[in-house]
Amino acid sequence: DGGITQSPKYLFRKEGQNVTLSCEQNLNHDAMYWYRQDPGQGLRLIYYSQIVNDFQKGDIAEGYSVSREKKESFPLTVTSAQKNPTAFYLCASSTLQGALLGGANVLTFGAGSRLTVL
Amino acid sequence: DQQVKQNSPSLSVQEGRISILNCDYTNSMFDYFLWYKKYPAEGPTFLISISSIKDKNEDGRFTVFLNKSAKHLSLHIVPSQPGDSAVYFCAATSTGQNFVFGPGTRLSVLP
Repeated sequence: DGGITQSPKYLFRKEGQNVTLSCEQNLNHDAMYWYRQDPGQGLRLIYYSQIVNDFQKGDIAEGYSVSREKKESFPLTVTSAQKNPTAFYLCASSTLQGALLGGANVLTFGAGSRLTVL
Repeated sequence: DQQVKQNSPSLSVQEGRISILNCDYTNSMFDYFLWYKKYPAEGPTFLISISSIKDKNEDGRFTVFLNKSAKHLSLHIVPSQPGDSAVYFCAATSTGQNFVFGPGTRLSVLP
């Protein structure tokens, strides 16, 4: 059963601590993304990666870090430098074919991880 | 400044009637638009898309209309069903790869 698995689903963190959110996909997708959702706002792009060992900053990358050592995995670390980390985090993946064919890549999302900083 | 706006945070519709969700954008470079649907505690799922070379795309009960001159698109759901109750996000792209999402509209379909 193909899809994206995010863990943990809920996470509590004390101020000053780093935390890593896991994202694994078995869809054989080349591209992976991390978004953040806050109430009343759309999904905002944190980081994305189109190929193993390469990734680019999105619109709100400050205070976050990622790695892409394997095609299937794209973990996100929320560092203590992130000033307002409490949010709902969504991982997504896509092929690159849509954009290459003049269309758009359709994103497949995971179920999300809710991070609360105490 | 939001490039993609969904000015109605919520919408209630009677079952069987039409639901119309609206989306406005400011960036004229956007050339592809997608709608995603999200249930609570789940990730968004793709619903329907439209290219800027079209003004309408239909898939079953769902139709998306695009008015490029007004920088406006809308999603029509006919007939609306209780299972359509969810948050709907409009997303736009100029690269085909990176998207700007609107804040979402919560649709409630009342039985």
